[in-house]
Amino acid sequence: GENVEQHPSTLSVQEGDSAVIKCTYSDSASNYFPWYKQELGKGPQLIIDIRSNVGEKKDQRIAVTLNKTAKHFSLHITETQPEDSAVYFCAASHTGGGNKLTFGTGTQLKVEL
Amino acid sequence: GAGVSQSPSNKVTEKGKDVELRCDPISGHTALYWYRQSLGQGLEFLIYFQGNSAPDKSGLPSDRFSAERTGGSVSTLTIQRTQQEDSAVYLCASSHPGQPQHFGDGTRLSIL
Repeated sequence: GENVEQHPSTLSVQEGDSAVIKCTYSDSASNYFPWYKQELGKGPQLIIDIRSNVGEKKDQRIAVTLNKTAKHFSLHITETQPEDSAVYFCAASHTGGGNKLTFGTGTQLKVEL
Repeated sequence: GAGVSQSPSNKVTEKGKDVELRCDPISGHTALYWYRQSLGQGLEFLIYFQGNSAPDKSGLPSDRFSAERTGGSVSTLTIQRTQQEDSAVYLCASSHPGQPQHFGDGTRLSIL
């Protein structure tokens, strides 16, 4: 089955700096890669996603890149703000598998003033 | 509009008791998923419902776990004879087929 690895497990940045979180996946059939933000006591909230026919996608301060050959995808947050502090999860799935998501183990992002 | 609603938000029970967790998906979403999140861990897939098709139960950890989805809407996850290792946050998500999954805030289950 699919295996998703995520690094780093914790990340501390100064406000205004950029943050990058990286994930790798094992199943070449995976074709959908969402990123979720989870705040304490809440469920994961989708922040951006990318499909395998696209190499990069951007939404304001957030961007995701995908390298299908290397089976890598990354989340980039620019101009970080304190409200970006949360746990971020990457995930992978393929439409043939009912889109059930395989998640990474999460990155605790702390944006310091 | 209303999001995915889960109840109860917290459940404390004694080892060996049965528990039922409820999920109300977003109206119109035919796909419904259950995941489990253990403390400090990522989410682990449990079961998936799509319309009237047979559910994908491949993630259920033991035969003590079961789930139903009545009328294509509300779903209940049942854990029989609970064990301490069942303590976790149980999350439900729903979606249109092939579209992003939207999660509820989960049920935090504690087994004493």
